[in-house]
Amino acid sequence: DAGVIQSPRHEVTEMGQEVTLRCKPISGHDYLFWYRQTMMRGLELLIYFNNNVPIDDSGMPEDRFSAKMPNASFSTLKIQPSEPRDSAVYFCASSRGAGRRYEQYFGPGTRLTVT
Amino acid sequence: QKEVEQDPGPLSVPEGAIVSLNCTYSNSAFQYFMWYRQYSRKGPELLMYTYSSGNKEDGRFTAQVDKSSKYISLFIRDSQPSDSATYLCALQQGGSEKLVFGKGTKLTVNP
Repeated sequence: DAGVIQSPRHEVTEMGQEVTLRCKPISGHDYLFWYRQTMMRGLELLIYFNNNVPIDDSGMPEDRFSAKMPNASFSTLKIQPSEPRDSAVYFCASSRGAGRRYEQYFGPGTRLTVT
Repeated sequence: QKEVEQDPGPLSVPEGAIVSLNCTYSNSAFQYFMWYRQYSRKGPELLMYTYSSGNKEDGRFTAQVDKSSKYISLFIRDSQPSDSATYLCALQQGGSEKLVFGKGTKLTVNP
């Protein structure tokens, strides 16, 4: 298996622009997680899905952020409009759930810079 | 008080040293305790996990949990330059899918 795939790996955009981050989880995994990592705040959970259904979005910072999972093999995280404080590394992770729910497999991340 | 506290370091040691990494937490509901390793410009990967209190050993790595003190540790014996990475503790409540991560400790092992 190729592991969790994220695209793009790097994104530089101007304030006010829409940003879309993409994730393909590991096949057969029931859970998908979106995280944001910064030096100041560390690794924070934004939202997670179970079987394509959003379960907990309490970590989404504000309405500018939205996430979707239209099918088991694809998810997007959208920021509209983007702001400089959104600059961070965004990770997608997936897990099997029951049995080894503590083991999450992370993608390589998308490094977002908003100028 | 933050749920999980972890000294960010950085920590620099010579090759062969014993390394001790630690986290403290405040929520007694946590039951699963993990250590993830993150190499530069990569995503975190699970290194070890422990359920409830006690020790767990895997090669040069030992994870230790003291629930009475709300304190978890990771020990690395005979540290190698390839161990240079950021180590994040992660905690999970029973029945929950969510992980709460420490900020990570950056470790450098010098040859």
